[in-house]
Amino acid sequence: NAGVTQTPKFQVLKTGQSMTLQCAQDMNHNSMYWYRQDPGMGLRLIYYSASEGTTDKGEVPNGYNVSRLNKREFSLRLESAAPSQTSVYFCASSVPSGGLLTGELFFGEGSRLTVL
Amino acid sequence: DQQVKQNSPSLSVQEGRISILNCDYTNSMFDYFLWYKKYPAEGPTFLISISSIKDKNEDGRFTVFLNKSAKHLSLHIVPSQPGDSAVYFCAASSANTGNQFYFGTGTSLTVIP
Repeated sequence: NAGVTQTPKFQVLKTGQSMTLQCAQDMNHNSMYWYRQDPGMGLRLIYYSASEGTTDKGEVPNGYNVSRLNKREFSLRLESAAPSQTSVYFCASSVPSGGLLTGELFFGEGSRLTVL
Repeated sequence: DQQVKQNSPSLSVQEGRISILNCDYTNSMFDYFLWYKKYPAEGPTFLISISSIKDKNEDGRFTVFLNKSAKHLSLHIVPSQPGDSAVYFCAASSANTGNQFYFGTGTSLTVIP
């Protein structure tokens, strides 16, 4: 059981280049998330998708776009990469419990992105 | 503005002793709290959670305490083991924040053999 799979694990871009981070989960979870982790900043939510067909902005959405392709897949796109987007990106998924959000997040292994 | 704060970036503890990691939050609407553990080059993994209707939840060596009036939670690890050395993140959410989990900045725990 793979859980949450992210690709690529490492990527180096030049300023202005574009790229897409791919994420897939095989746990039949409704909700999916993209976080970035920066030193001293913890994990900050970029975008999330509560269910297939919906996406919403998180704390730091500027410079990113997302696509919830189907229930399994949630991609994050950088249209014009900037050095400030150098970070470790984590995809996660969860299933809310009933009417309240009591489900835990399951994370992928992370994608380390460097923008020169 | 950081809604979940971990004011101690690092903590060192002798093997066998208790580790206490602290977390403060500002949003009184948070009603579900989680702790995650992260090893280098891996994604965070869920450790333990607590609902706001409780003030304590225990799972083996790990216990989470919640003080709603102080908006404070803590994770106790006893006895601490070298394998517990990792970065620990606390997180919070509520039905009112939709599906958003807010994370603290993390505390790096080192357990000294």
